Formats: sequence, structure tokens, C-alpha cells
Amino acid sequence: EAAVTQSPRNKVAVTGGKVTLSCNQTNNHNNMYWYRQDTGHGLRLIHYSYGAGSTEKGDIPDGYKASRPSQENFSLILELATPSQTSVYFCASGLGGAETLYFGSGTRLTVL
Amino acid sequence: GEQVEQLPSILRVQEGSSASINCSYEDSASNYFPWYKQEPGENPKLIIDIRSNMERKQIQELIVLLDKKAKRFSLHITDTQPGDSAMYFCALPMATGGNNKLTFGQGTVLSVIP
Repeated sequence: EAAVTQSPRNKVAVTGGKVTLSCNQTNNHNNMYWYRQDTGHGLRLIHYSYGAGSTEKGDIPDGYKASRPSQENFSLILELATPSQTSVYFCASGLGGAETLYFGSGTRLTVL
Repeated sequence: GEQVEQLPSILRVQEGSSASINCSYEDSASNYFPWYKQEPGENPKLIIDIRSNMERKQIQELIVLLDKKAKRFSLHITDTQPGDSAMYFCALPMATGGNNKLTFGQGTVLSVIP
């Protein structure tokens, strides 16, 4: 089965601090995605990437940056974390929007 | 408004009965309709999908119906078991540029009562 690994699993950050969430996939999928999950909103797309060196804005990109240095790795960066960014973040990889997405185990981020 | 609307948000059923979740969408060009299941504390996983050349698809207890004219698709779980208790998401690829991104519904929390 496709493997997507996220780190860390849990993170507590302070308001104004910088947070980096990491994702690694061994599926050789071109596409990678970052979603956040909040009660009442389901899964919302933050940033995505079509391949190494590319990043695209999703539906809620404000306050987030993304980096795709290689086929395998996709990071989500919060330069100045705010309490509103407290959430569970999921990374996923796939061949394209019309194919299966494989999700990582999630990162629970708390911003105090 | 929402590009994919999913209802209900909460669903409680008795074990052995059926459960139905509905999604409606706006983009008439959509041609792929997946459903994901997320168990408590776990990540979402694809459980069944249907493409626009079909109206019905069944995998064991799971049935997906697609009504393209009405822009609706639905998931039906027959003979529900406690193991079916989870959150369920419908999703749609939203065309953007030369590729697609997957947009999810708001989710349905299904509780199967023994």
C-alpha cells in the first residue's frame, strides 16, 4: 500500500512562532496535498503540488507557505503561527484529482 | 457557496439498518465521485468511487448512486455494523489549470447503535 509519512505527529507552538510540518511519500506520485481538518468544515485544501519545485494555492492558503524540494517531500510552513491555525493537518499524495488520494496519519497542531 | 454540499452532518442508525449520505455539487463537468471513510483517530481512506459513465456501483455493503442530471450522488450502507461507525466524506475533483484538485464535503459522522 502507498506510504505517506508525516512528522511530527503532535506539535505545540506559540503564537508568532514558526512551524514546519513535513511529509514524505514513497509512492512516486507527482501530486501532493496539504489539508486541514476542523469540525464542521471537513477537509480543506491549503496548498498542493504537481511535482518537485511546484507549489499551488488551494482554497485556504492565507497564513501558509509550502515547499516541494523533491518528488518525495512536501512541507507546510507557518511563518507566524496563530491560534486560528490550531487544527489537524493531513498530507496526501496521488496521481491526480480523479484518482485515489493516500493520506498520512496527520499532525495535530496546537498554537497557544 | 460550497462547491460540494454533504448532508446530514450527523447520522445515527440501529445496527442492521441502512444509512444514507447525500452530496450535491455545482460543477456539471465533474466525472469522478469518490467516498472516503475516516475512523476515529485515523486518516481518511478511499472506500468506493464511481465515474460518470455509471449510475450505480456496489462493493459488498456499499452502494453508490449517481444522478448527473440532478448533480447528486449518494452513499448507502446496507446492514450497518458497529465497525461502520466513522466519518464519511464525499469528494469531487475541481478542475484547475491542467490538473485537478480534490474538494471534500463537510463530512458525516455515522454512529451505528448496537
